[in-house]
Amino acid sequence: EAQVTQNPRYLITVTGKKLTVTCSQNMNHEYMSWYRQDPGLGLRQIYYSMNVEVTDKGDVPEGYKVSRKEKRNFPLILESPSPNQTSLYFCASSPSGSDTQYFGPGTRLTVL
Amino acid sequence: EDKVVQSPLSLVVHEGDTVTLNCSYEVTNFRSLLWYKQEKKAPTFLFMLTSSGIEKKSGRLSSILDKKELFSILNITATQTGDSAVYLCAVERRGDKIIFGKGTRLHILP
Repeated sequence: EAQVTQNPRYLITVTGKKLTVTCSQNMNHEYMSWYRQDPGLGLRQIYYSMNVEVTDKGDVPEGYKVSRKEKRNFPLILESPSPNQTSLYFCASSPSGSDTQYFGPGTRLTVL
Repeated sequence: EDKVVQSPLSLVVHEGDTVTLNCSYEVTNFRSLLWYKQEKKAPTFLFMLTSSGIEKKSGRLSSILDKKELFSILNITATQTGDSAVYLCAVERRGDKIIFGKGTRLHILP
């Protein structure tokens, strides 16, 4: 089944403790992206990747890092999480940047 | 299993036409329904609907929710080429899970 998976689905952590949210897709898509969703703000893009080893900042990249060492995986790294990064995070992929994106199920992150 | 189904999957119309996009859902613990417009980058938020029968309007776009029949429609009147995009419907569940539909690809011919 074609899908985008994220792990973990829920995470509660404390300020400053590094964490990684994984994202994996099995559709051989070139384009992958991370978003955060906050009440009243809709989806905002954090980082995206057009292909392996090609990443770029979205609208709200501060405090996040990503890597794209292989096509199927696009982990989101928070080196030193802060409470303002408490949010619902979505990973998405598509064949290219202009195609409909397939979204993962979301990761609810709480930073205390 | 929770699901959000959008129809049609794809639609091509001429500039000036009116279009109606559909979104039906089967979701437990419904909280809200969201519409997004997705062009080349991140989807942009259009509407959030929580109550039945109350139309939300923004310029030529409007949307309404029917919680009894479990669907929503997005209307675009006097379409323009700039309306060409993928329109995403998503349902937010209590507990913060959001389920997205696959989208309707709308293409407006000049």
